[in-house]
Amino acid sequence: SAVISQKPSRDICQRGTSLTIQCQVDSQVTMMFWYRQQPGQSLTLIATANQGSEATYESGFVIDKFPISRPNLTFSTLTVSNMSPEDSSIYLCSGLDRGTREQYFGPGTRLTVT
Amino acid sequence: AQKVTQVQTEISVVEKEDVTLDCVYETRDTTYYLFWYKQPPSGELVFLIRRNSFDEQNEISGRYSWNFQKSTSSFNFTITASQVVDSAVYFCALSEATGNTPLVFGKGTRLSVIA
Repeated sequence: SAVISQKPSRDICQRGTSLTIQCQVDSQVTMMFWYRQQPGQSLTLIATANQGSEATYESGFVIDKFPISRPNLTFSTLTVSNMSPEDSSIYLCSGLDRGTREQYFGPGTRLTVT
Repeated sequence: AQKVTQVQTEISVVEKEDVTLDCVYETRDTTYYLFWYKQPPSGELVFLIRRNSFDEQNEISGRYSWNFQKSTSSFNFTITASQVVDSAVYFCALSEATGNTPLVFGKGTRLSVIA
């Protein structure tokens, strides 16, 4: 199965600052996605991270607020910009296993904005 | 549009009881994938099962079993002889037929197993 790691695992940030979350996957992964899970809620897709091109964002999410990069097949970053307390969530990276087509998730980044 | 509904927001059972978590889905696709994930208090998402819409056979894995009924668009999950370690939030999810698309998640069911 695909192995996905994220860092940082958690952070506490001040409003108005930005945080970049890194996601590293092994070579079995094709597609990569970023999700947000607000406290006590389900997972909501932020965007699909496209290798070497701009990410594809879902309704309600914009590039200026959540810039995403994927410079190669195995690495992606999500930045949460100009943070406010409403951005306090768990952010999860996921990858689609090339062989099994099962979607695996990273351990998540627990973000608290004060 | 795709949609996944988990009507049970919270369930509490006593250890060793059986418990069934319900999942109902909507999709216009004729082929699709269904998933169940477990999210323990630590927060990571643990993959439990993926089922192709063509495969309606029920599946059993240890104490876990899944009942897929295409006629009622349901994909229910049963835990037999529940244990405290089963306490978690369980998510049902759906993806398009290619399997190359992101998942649409239900709102999750929080299961508490009491010793």
